[in-house]
Amino acid sequence: DAGVTQSPTHLIKTRGQHVTLRCSPISGHKSVSWYQQVLGQGPQFIFQYYEKEERGRGNFPDRFSARQFPNYSSELNVNALLLGDSALYLCASSLGSWGTDTQYFGPGTRLTVL
Amino acid sequence: AQSVTQLDSQVPVFEEAPVELRCNYSSSVSVYLFWYVQYPNQGLQLLLKYLSGSTLVESINGFEAEFNKSQTSFHLRKPSVHISDTAEYFCAVNSGGSNYKLTFGKGTLLTVNP
Repeated sequence: DAGVTQSPTHLIKTRGQHVTLRCSPISGHKSVSWYQQVLGQGPQFIFQYYEKEERGRGNFPDRFSARQFPNYSSELNVNALLLGDSALYLCASSLGSWGTDTQYFGPGTRLTVL
Repeated sequence: AQSVTQLDSQVPVFEEAPVELRCNYSSSVSVYLFWYVQYPNQGLQLLLKYLSGSTLVESINGFEAEFNKSQTSFHLRKPSVHISDTAEYFCAVNSGGSNYKLTFGKGTLLTVNP
């Protein structure tokens, strides 16, 4: 079975632009979470979606938004990009939204903001 | 609130030597604990997890971790490392229930030298 897939692999944007990152979960998984990993740090939680509803949001500004589609894929949108948004963005999928549900991570999208 | 401290940012060892990567957590409720491994330019892979039951958990590639509630620790060990174990290792905590958010430590870079 295919794992979590993310697109694009790499992305270069300039300050003030908008970006959309995409994620397809493992087949059968209904939950998608997004994490931001800045160089040299551990991943930080941004959002979780379960059954197309937002179940949680981390400490990120309103410039960050996300949604989940009926097929359980997800998009992460970031508006008005700042230099500090440069990071690896990781998507994780899980069967459900409980703490015991293991999260499986995709390879990530490397975003560079110039 | 939950937090994770990985006490060593870098651990260099020689091939076939034993290794311990330290992880301490804080949480006001019961926890689920995870170790993830990240190889260069890749996403996170689950190494092992503690949900309940036996406090000693093992991975398929020889790593083990022991949950110690009194010391709030979940240290990762391997009796004999290989060069292919060179990677970044992240400890993560989830306080369970409907709290699906993983909180990660800053990571420990394990470098295995010949």
